[in-house]
Amino acid sequence: DAGVTQSPTHLIKTRGQQVTLRCSPKSGHDTVSWYQQALGQGPQFIFQYYEEEERQRGNFPDRFSGHQFPNYSSELNVNALLLGDSALYLCASSSSGVHGYTFGSGTRLTVV
Amino acid sequence: GENVEQHPSTLSVQEGDSAVIKCTYSDSASNYFPWYKQELGKRPQLIIDIRSNVGEKKDQRIAVTLNKTAKHFSLHITETQPEDSAVYFCAASPGANNLFFGTGTRLTVIP
Repeated sequence: DAGVTQSPTHLIKTRGQQVTLRCSPKSGHDTVSWYQQALGQGPQFIFQYYEEEERQRGNFPDRFSGHQFPNYSSELNVNALLLGDSALYLCASSSSGVHGYTFGSGTRLTVV
Repeated sequence: GENVEQHPSTLSVQEGDSAVIKCTYSDSASNYFPWYKQELGKRPQLIIDIRSNVGEKKDQRIAVTLNKTAKHFSLHITETQPEDSAVYFCAASPGANNLFFGTGTRLTVIP
């Protein structure tokens, strides 16, 4: 068990809808990063949260937003879903200032 | 931002042979280079990593080399086994625990 928990594991949404994905980091980790992995591609960095704030952001539109709670868990929200948002969404936790990610098993989002 | 390129995209080797995967990066500030193995439908798993103050690191059948001047690093797997079959990703980190991934190499080890 990697210690990072993501929910749900699978999700089907319709174009235009909104979705919320959740992540609980590994015990002792305070930083959460979100990645989008399209089929056959490498993970693409969406954003990173630390101390309940977005610390860094990748090249994703504002439709992608997030939140981190005082217990370090995090949510990824995607508004106005597009077919191209279909992907595996990975959450990775780490300790600030220390290299080394632990990935969750991901949420498979399908937009129809 | 950082740009990581990875080659080849697919690699087939006979069991027992060696496999080499190569990556280049663009940001000279990158100082941490992990390699991940991802089996079908599973999460990426860290298999080895190297920091910029080290040129080579080895862990049993797996080794990674880093050339900072040329901005490239490589994964070497010796005595490959069927269970090594997976997609391998390289990544580079310019700091703040942010990782930029390559596009992946699908390794197939033929028994």
